[in-house]
Amino acid sequence: GAVVSQHPSWVICKSGTSVKIECRSLDFQATTMFWYRQFPKQSLMLMATSNEGSKATYEQGVEKDKFLINHASLTLSTLTVTSAHPEDSSFYICSALQVQGFYGYTFGSGTRLTVV
Amino acid sequence: GDSVTQMEGPVTLSEEAFLTINCTYTATGYPSLFWYVQYPGEGLQLLLKATKADDKGSNKGFEATYRKETTSFHLEKGSVQVSDSAVYFCALPETHDMRFGAGTRLTVKP
Repeated sequence: GAVVSQHPSWVICKSGTSVKIECRSLDFQATTMFWYRQFPKQSLMLMATSNEGSKATYEQGVEKDKFLINHASLTLSTLTVTSAHPEDSSFYICSALQVQGFYGYTFGSGTRLTVV
Repeated sequence: GDSVTQMEGPVTLSEEAFLTINCTYTATGYPSLFWYVQYPGEGLQLLLKATKADDKGSNKGFEATYRKETTSFHLEKGSVQVSDSAVYFCALPETHDMRFGAGTRLTVKP
């Protein structure tokens, strides 16, 4: 079945540094990937839609200069949290849309980011 | 736009109790409907889905029936286990992404 690998699963970084999170579709090509953020005990919030070969589409209120998304290939999208602050601490989850075979969304296992 | 509304938790049950988590949807058409589960410290996993009205999705003892008359997709399980403790999300696909309910935290006590 479709598998999405997200790495790292957890990361601790200092304020002011940048962190890159990778999302890979392992056995299918994903022209579209999504990045979500989950605050403790809350639902997922869509941050942006990542399209291979083009600029990401950000949801209202999400700072595109802070959350850099790159979707350079059909199997890899990255989210870089730049100049991280403690309020960026959260659980970030990616998902990939598979349109051939099983049509649906497959989620990564998530990345817990803690900024100290 | 389309959306889902699910009952808020938390829900606490004893082992072997019956579980129902309500989910209703608002949509212009008849989208597929999903239930996702998130175990502590993990990402989301697809639990079950239904692609059309009257379909019943089932997995791991959980069931949900797509009812267009009541625009509902309630999640049920006849006998919960401690290992079912998790957060459950009802969801439906929008044009380019997925819309989630707020999530319902289930705690099952031995």
